[in-house]
Amino acid sequence: SQQGEEDPQALSIQEGENATMNCSYKTSINNLQWYRQNSGRGLVHLILIRSNEREKHSGRLRVTLDTSKKSSSLLITASRAADTASYFCATDGIQGAQKLVFGQGTRLTINP
Amino acid sequence: EPEVTQTPSHQVTQMGQEVILRCVPISNHLYFYWYRQILGQKVEFLVSFYNNEISEKSEIFDDQFSVERPDGSNFTLKIRSTKLEDSAMYFCASVVAVTETQYFGPGTRLLVL
Repeated sequence: SQQGEEDPQALSIQEGENATMNCSYKTSINNLQWYRQNSGRGLVHLILIRSNEREKHSGRLRVTLDTSKKSSSLLITASRAADTASYFCATDGIQGAQKLVFGQGTRLTINP
Repeated sequence: EPEVTQTPSHQVTQMGQEVILRCVPISNHLYFYWYRQILGQKVEFLVSFYNNEISEKSEIFDDQFSVERPDGSNFTLKIRSTKLEDSAMYFCASVVAVTETQYFGPGTRLLVL
């Protein structure tokens, strides 16, 4: 079954540095979405990248998608303390009601 | 900006009791979902709902679970007889079309004692 898996599981960097998180999945997709979750809170949508796109930007976020390798990366540039959160990739399928399959997430800590 | 809302934010119940979790999806959205996240684990799909019927459900969504869209705006998840292992954060999500962004509500934290 399709599955998004992120690495690293945890990442700790200094404020101002860039953070890169990776995601791999197993089956064909229509799109891949990245979400952020602050501890114990809801899922905030960050960005959606479609299977025919290779790169997408939104503010300080840059997402890439390589469908041949079934992988994606999320880059956060010039990190801030407020970026501290867990980040999840979620993939849909190519049929049906497009349930999302989430990975385990990357716990990002930005140290001031 | 429209958002998905969920009530209650927290619910504590005794094992064996019934609970109903409520969601108000974004008004022009057509597909609705429930997911859950056990503490420290990943988000898991429970069920999807379209055109007033279940379109897909996971193995987790057994006979103890049901969903309903009773009045055209609310979308509910009922657990008939809660178990300790049902303790989790439950998220509702909605989307305007299946290839678009799924928007999640803030979640209901359910604790079964």
